[in-house]
Amino acid sequence: GAVVSQHPSRVICKSGTSVKIECRSLDFQATTMFWYRQFPKKSLMLMATSNEGSKATYEQGVEKDKFLINHASLTLSTLTVTSAHPEDSSFYICSAKAGRGNTIYFGEGSWLTVV
Amino acid sequence: GESVGLHLPTLSVQEGDNSIINCAYSNSASDYFIWYKQESGKGPQFIIDIRSNMDKRQGQRVTVLLNKTVKHLSLQIAATQPGDSAVYFCAERSGGSYIPTFGRGTSLIVHP
Repeated sequence: GAVVSQHPSRVICKSGTSVKIECRSLDFQATTMFWYRQFPKKSLMLMATSNEGSKATYEQGVEKDKFLINHASLTLSTLTVTSAHPEDSSFYICSAKAGRGNTIYFGEGSWLTVV
Repeated sequence: GESVGLHLPTLSVQEGDNSIINCAYSNSASDYFIWYKQESGKGPQFIIDIRSNMDKRQGQRVTVLLNKTVKHLSLQIAATQPGDSAVYFCAERSGGSYIPTFGRGTSLIVHP
């Protein structure tokens, strides 16, 4: 079946630095990718939707200058958390949708800890 | 605003029992529903989906029931196994949008 891979699965960074998380669709072309944030024991919160080759659409309340999303190819989207703070520590999950069909495939998630 | 929510945050069952996880939604325009399973520290995993023109759909050991009259969705897991322990989310989509809106989640704990 379709696989979406995220890297790194866990990352620790210092406050003030930037960290990049990659999301790759391994066996299909993802015209649209989504980035979610999830706090412990909470539901997934959609941060932004990205379409290949165009700017991401951010959900209300999500700072686009802090959470930079790039969807440069049909198989790769990146989320860069800039000037990270401890409150940015969270589980970040990406998902991808192929050009046709309803199915959305999720990545395994990336744990970010800002110290 | 419109939302998808769950009745019970935690469900504990014995191995071999059947489990029923419930979900209420409020958006009457929702036309597609999905159940996801999320194991600890992992991303959501698709379980089963159902369109609004159906009221029941069966998969392997799982059945989803949809009652549009009361805006209620349920996931039934037959012969629950310890490996079924996870958080289960219902999600809905509406109006041609392909972006799922997630409910709160129910933690299923299966005791051996």
